[in-house]
Amino acid sequence: EAGVAQSPRYKIIEKRQSVAFWCNPISGHATLYWYQQILGQGPKLLIQFQNNGVVDDSQLPKDRFSAERLKGVDSTLKIQPAKLEDSAVYLCASGGSMNTEAFFGQGTRLTVV
Amino acid sequence: GESVGLHLPTLSVQEGDNSIINCAYSNSASDYFIWYKQESGKGPQFIIDIRSNMDKRQGQRVTVLLNKTVKHLSLQIAATQPGDSAVYFCAEFWGSNYKLTFGKGTLLTVNP
Repeated sequence: EAGVAQSPRYKIIEKRQSVAFWCNPISGHATLYWYQQILGQGPKLLIQFQNNGVVDDSQLPKDRFSAERLKGVDSTLKIQPAKLEDSAVYLCASGGSMNTEAFFGQGTRLTVV
Repeated sequence: GESVGLHLPTLSVQEGDNSIINCAYSNSASDYFIWYKQESGKGPQFIIDIRSNMDKRQGQRVTVLLNKTVKHLSLQIAATQPGDSAVYFCAEFWGSNYKLTFGKGTLLTVNP
């Protein structure tokens, strides 16, 4: 079974530029999560989808971050404009439903300079 | 917000010894917990899970214990190997939307 796919693996941008990350969850998984992981810390949940609907985005900085999951499959996370403090690994995870195990992709390492 | 935390940020053990990693949680209504292993440059990897109707669950070389009375989880790794060196996170599902929240993590170092 294919795992969660994320791209790109690495991205370096200048502050105030925009960037987008892509996630393809495990086939059939209804729940999709985006996390931000700053070096030395645990993953912080940014947004959680159930199919194509948002069930939690309470920690998403909505002035600069946006995410969508069209058709309830793939998802994109966008940052515009980026700040230095956005440097982190962005992880995508999927689960069969809410309250079942979540499986993670390799993540995208973002460096903002 | 974050409700799951770990007692020890680092743990160093000798190869072949047993390791115990602890975790405290504060949401008494949480009913499902997962331990993840994260190696450098990789995403968290599912190790083992436990639901609140159980107090112990065993996998291959790993055991998770849940003490709901004191809101405490532990991960036991038997015969620890160098490949077990990683950061270990406990994660908790809580709230009506089953938000998956992570603690700070424990760095496990296995010395040969």
